[in-house]
Parts: sequence; C-alpha cells; structure tokens
Amino acid sequence: DIQMTQSPSTLSASVGDRVTITCRASQSFNNWLAWYQQKPGKAPKLLIYKASSLQSGVPSRFSGSGSGTEFTLTISSLQPDDFATYYCQQYNSYPGTFGQGTKLEI
Amino acid sequence: QVQLVESGGGLVKPGGSLRLSCAASGFMFRDYYMSWIRQAPGKGLEWVSYISSTGTNISYADSVKGRFTISRDNAKNSLYLQMNSLRAEDTAMYYCARHIVVGLLDYWGQGTLVTVSS
Repeated sequence: DIQMTQSPSTLSASVGDRVTITCRASQSFNNWLAWYQQKPGKAPKLLIYKASSLQSGVPSRFSGSGSGTEFTLTISSLQPDDFATYYCQQYNSYPGTFGQGTKLEI
Repeated sequence: QVQLVESGGGLVKPGGSLRLSCAASGFMFRDYYMSWIRQAPGKGLEWVSYISSTGTNISYADSVKGRFTISRDNAKNSLYLQMNSLRAEDTAMYYCARHIVVGLLDYWGQGTLVTVSS
C-alpha cells in the first residue's frame, strides 16, 4: 500500500494568513491525489481532486499542487470557516489511503 | 440532491455483531462504486471496504477481512456492512461514501457510531 504522510500535524494560523499543508507519498504515482476538509462532528468534504482540480462549489482560495511523491494544499487567505482538519488521500491504487490529518487551528 | 444516510450503529459487546445500512438518494445508485470508511474517536480516516456498482468487485482492509461483509441492494438503493466478531478497536464512526471515480469519494453520509465495549 502507498503510505501518505502529512505535515505539519497541527498548524496554528490567523485569519488572513496564507497556509500550506504538505502530503508526501511512500512511492511516486500519477496525480490521483485528493484533499478533504473535516469539521468537528461532520463528514469529510472533498476540496481538491487530481492534485489541483477544485471541486465544484469550493472557494478559489483553496488550491492544490504537486506531483510524484510531494503534494501541497494551500489556502491563500484564511477565513474563519477554514479552521478544520485536512486530509490528503491517494486514489491511485486501492485502498485509497489517507494521510493522518492536519489540524488547522486559530 | 445526493444524500447518504447511515443507520444501524450502537453499543455492542466484544464478539457481537451489527449490520450497518446506508440509504442513498438523489443519484443513480446502481452506477456507482461505494465504500465504508471509519474514524476512531479522535483519530484519522481508515478505509474499510468498497464494492463495485454491480457488487462483483469487493475489497476489505486487512483489519476487517474475514469479519466484515459489504453488500448492496441496487433495487433498494442501499449499501450494507455486516460486522461480526467485533472488537474494541472497531469502535468508530462509520461513514458510507460514493466514488465519483474509482477511489475518489465525492459524497459522504453523516456517519453512524459503533461502540464495542463490555
């Protein structure tokens, strides 16, 4: 299985900040990489797919990039609603393994 | 709109069984792969099992293989997870989710909580 490792595990930031979360894979794969946002008590929500494609309805301040084994999620200007936990997931091969999550806190 | 509603969770003793259900609406259920994903309290996401649109292709995480069985009834727009020989480490919120393409999950239910404890 492809292992996914996110960094940092916790990120403290303020409204208006630009933040970047990194996801590293144990082996290289095509850009079948997704990012999800999860708020407490809620189901995950798909933000980004195919490494850089924005899911419909997701604000443009979210962006994804990367290839091979290193991928990033960037939020250009943090809004109060963005404080949540973010997970990357590779779906290049089954099972689609998730990173351990990055908690973005105020 | 797409809706996935899980049910069937609850408190069960170690070694017991539960059957989870996921009722789908707002899309052609029979056209989509579906998965169960779980999340232990305060932990990350763990894929549990997936099933192809026709039910012919199924896979399980090693942690549940031989104990859990995924199935679906396309006539009833429903997904199921039969969980046997439950262990404390199976305690988690269980989500059903739709695959928009193989592996990519675009809609998730709100989850149903399974607690395994004596």
